[in-house]
Amino acid sequence: AQRVTQPEKLLSVFKGAPVELKCNYSYSGSPELFWYVQYSRQRLQLLLRHISRESIKGFTADLNKGETSFHLKKPFAQEEDSAMYYCALSGEQGAQKLVFGQGTRLTINP
Amino acid sequence: DAGVTQSPTHLIKTRGQHVTLRCSPISGHKSVSWYQQVLGQGPQFIFQYYEKEERGRGNFPDRFSARQFPNYSSELNVNALLLGDSALYLCASSLVRGNQPQHFGDGTRLSIL
Repeated sequence: AQRVTQPEKLLSVFKGAPVELKCNYSYSGSPELFWYVQYSRQRLQLLLRHISRESIKGFTADLNKGETSFHLKKPFAQEEDSAMYYCALSGEQGAQKLVFGQGTRLTINP
Repeated sequence: DAGVTQSPTHLIKTRGQHVTLRCSPISGHKSVSWYQQVLGQGPQFIFQYYEKEERGRGNFPDRFSARQFPNYSSELNVNALLLGDSALYLCASSLVRGNQPQHFGDGTRLSIL
């Protein structure tokens, strides 16, 4: 079975501090992992995906198959990073069938 | 580009009724997926349609059905509504099948009384 676990429902850090949002997954095949973000009053949007190996808005995420993790990191948090973050997984059926975690609400304090 | 559009924005129904939710994908996108998001949870996959055929189905009862039209828009139908069907229903579209990323709409907020 495919499963995504985000252990923290809420995460609060100060502006300028490092941020790490945790994501662990369970999948027997070769998954593709995504991070989606939802800013206040906006729709859910793709932040990054592991195959792109990009840094978006200063965020990076590395797929660790040994630990089955895909943690999202940013060295210096900014107030505009406050949002709801969802980790998602897709299997061989493709990225149109995503399994989401429950989400982490990130709050950046000034 | 308006992005993925969904209608209606909000809907209130009573138990036992049926409901139809609509989704228009981004122009050129042929794949549409539906998700249910219960308050406090992440979205849960319901259906995927591509080229008017069902290509994937999540763990939802037969009361849930969907279809895709020749213009690639889609409808999600739910019969015999239960209180537990209260949720935000999200539609997402992508260019083709495979691992193209999805673009989400704002959703339809369905409340069952």
